[in-house]
Amino acid sequence: AQSVTQLDSQVPVFEEAPVELRCNYSSSVSVYLFWYVQYPNQGLQLLLKYLSGSTLVKGINGFEAEFNKSQTSFHLRKPSVHISDTAEYFCAVSQAGTALIFGKGTTLSVSS
Amino acid sequence: DAGVTQSPTHLIKTRGQQVTLRCSPKSGHDTVSWYQQALGQGPQFIFQYYEEEERQRGNFPDRFSGHQFPNYSSELNVNALLLGDSALYLCASSPGLFGGGRRETQYFGPGTRLLVL
Repeated sequence: AQSVTQLDSQVPVFEEAPVELRCNYSSSVSVYLFWYVQYPNQGLQLLLKYLSGSTLVKGINGFEAEFNKSQTSFHLRKPSVHISDTAEYFCAVSQAGTALIFGKGTTLSVSS
Repeated sequence: DAGVTQSPTHLIKTRGQQVTLRCSPKSGHDTVSWYQQALGQGPQFIFQYYEEEERQRGNFPDRFSGHQFPNYSSELNVNALLLGDSALYLCASSPGLFGGGRRETQYFGPGTRLLVL
């Protein structure tokens, strides 16, 4: 069975500071990895995904993530955050074409 | 290009009632998945439909059922509502072989917020 652990439930940062949101996964087979963002009272928006190939994946809004198979991690990073990045971030894992398994989410709070 | 759309946006029901939620997938997508997101939690997979059949199901009781129509739109039905069914219900679509994809990437709609009193 697959599972996802988001290691931080809340991450407060100041504007223009770098941020890393941590995600570890557990699976006995090859998986696909995703990060989604959810703004208040909205659905989920895809930030980036790892399907295969380069382990460094770039997404929208300046975010990137690195797939580390040996550590079963897929941490999300941004070098300089903005107030508008304040949102809930979800890491998810799936096998080909099947259900997404989500972590419990990390609340990113950016203040000035 | 319209994204995934869901209706209604909000709904209030009482315990024991039945509810139907609707979803239209993104253009070119033939696969629809439904998720339940309780307050403060990550989404939980309910089921996935393509070719008008339920292909995969999560750990939800039979009170949760669905349907996919020939135009790829989908409905989620919940019978005998419980207070614990209050949640945001998310629909996601993905491109299958028809859309040149492999269903691996799911795109979400805005959700329907259901409150059961």
